Amino acid sequence: DVKVTQSSRYLVKRTGEKVFLECVQDMDHENMFWYRQDPGLGLRLIYFSYDVKMKEKGDIPEGYSVSREKKERFSLILESASTNQTSMYLCAGRGGGPYAEAFFGQGTRLTVV
Amino acid sequence: GDSVTQMEGPVTLSEEAFLTINCTYTATGYPSLFWYVQYPGEGLQLLLKATKADDKGSNKGFEATYRKETTSFHLEKGSVQVSDSAVYFCALRPNAGGTSYGKLTFGQGTILTVHP
Repeated sequence: DVKVTQSSRYLVKRTGEKVFLECVQDMDHENMFWYRQDPGLGLRLIYFSYDVKMKEKGDIPEGYSVSREKKERFSLILESASTNQTSMYLCAGRGGGPYAEAFFGQGTRLTVV
Repeated sequence: GDSVTQMEGPVTLSEEAFLTINCTYTATGYPSLFWYVQYPGEGLQLLLKATKADDKGSNKGFEATYRKETTSFHLEKGSVQVSDSAVYFCALRPNAGGTSYGKLTFGQGTILTVHP
């Protein structure tokens, strides 16, 4: 089975901390994505990457950055965490080709206090 | 830009009831359409998909038909079970001709609770 693994299920961080959320996929996927999930808003795309060291902003990139130094790993970085970044974060991987399926990690619930 | 609108929830049903969750979309061209399900404490799983008009996606007793004339992709199940309790997301992905890299646009999600 394809696996997309997020390093933490739950995180509690303090306002102003630098926070790293890690995601690893095991299927050599070119494309990786970070989404944020909030009640009533569904999932919103923060950033995505289509190759190593390549990244593009999604719909809500403000306050976030990403890193993709290796194909299998895609990191989301909160430079200075704020309480409005308390949310569920979901990583996804997708191979190439027009009909490839996206696979999601189990999610990281981040609380910023 | 692209958008997806789902019926507001939460939806509460008794076991064996009929389920419909409405989904409509706005997009250019011919997107692919998806339903994802999120069980408590888990990530998203693909439930079903349709890649062109009039396609019907089906899985685990759930069905949805891609209706281009009404820009809809409503999810249905004839007889729900307690184990179907979850959050359901409708989503679209632009067609393969663009440079979207497979970005998904999601609806707001519908919470389904099924009682015995």
